[in-house]
Amino acid sequence: DAGVIQSPRHEVTEMGQEVTLRCKPISGHDYLFWYRQTMMRGLELLIYFNNNVPIDDSGMPEDRFSAKMPNASFSTLKIQPSEPRDSAVYFCASSPSPGLLYEQYFGPGTRLTVT
Amino acid sequence: TQLLEQSPQFLSIQEGENLTVYCNSSSVFSSLQWYRQEPGEGPVLLVTVVTGGEVKKLKRLTFQFGDARKDSSLHITAAQTGDTGLYLCAGGGADGLTFGKGTHLIIQP
Repeated sequence: DAGVIQSPRHEVTEMGQEVTLRCKPISGHDYLFWYRQTMMRGLELLIYFNNNVPIDDSGMPEDRFSAKMPNASFSTLKIQPSEPRDSAVYFCASSPSPGLLYEQYFGPGTRLTVT
Repeated sequence: TQLLEQSPQFLSIQEGENLTVYCNSSSVFSSLQWYRQEPGEGPVLLVTVVTGGEVKKLKRLTFQFGDARKDSSLHITAAQTGDTGLYLCAGGGADGLTFGKGTHLIIQP
């Protein structure tokens, strides 16, 4: 069974450009999460979806960030315009209906570098 | 906001030694998970504990959830170079899943 799939694995772009990160969750998982990881701040939750509906986007740093989940098998995280401080590793994770367990399964991440 | 503090932040030991890393909070969690992350990869779930005082063993790794469900520890016996990685704890509660910043563990041959 394939795990969470993310693309691209690496992205280098110039400041001001639009960046789109993609995620395919594990089939049958109802929850999808987007995280950002840096050495300074660790793993930060940006937004999560339940059954394709955004539930909590309080972690989205600013209006330059947006996320969509048009169907159960695909989600995107878009940054427009990108800035050097957005450089980080972005992870997508999915989870079955969590109950009290909240177990999450992470993709391999997208390393974003904005110059 | 629930916070999880992990200690130590960095740990480097020789292969064969034992070690313990800690995950502490002032908040109560309904569950606590440990993940291991290797360079260039996403975190991988190792274990979930849900009952205060619970102890789970995974080969050479022993996980314990504190009686008050506010803290946890991970003990590794006879560490191997393959144990090298970032160990993250995460607590489940009303705010969802909260991650600590992790312990960077290096096992030297």
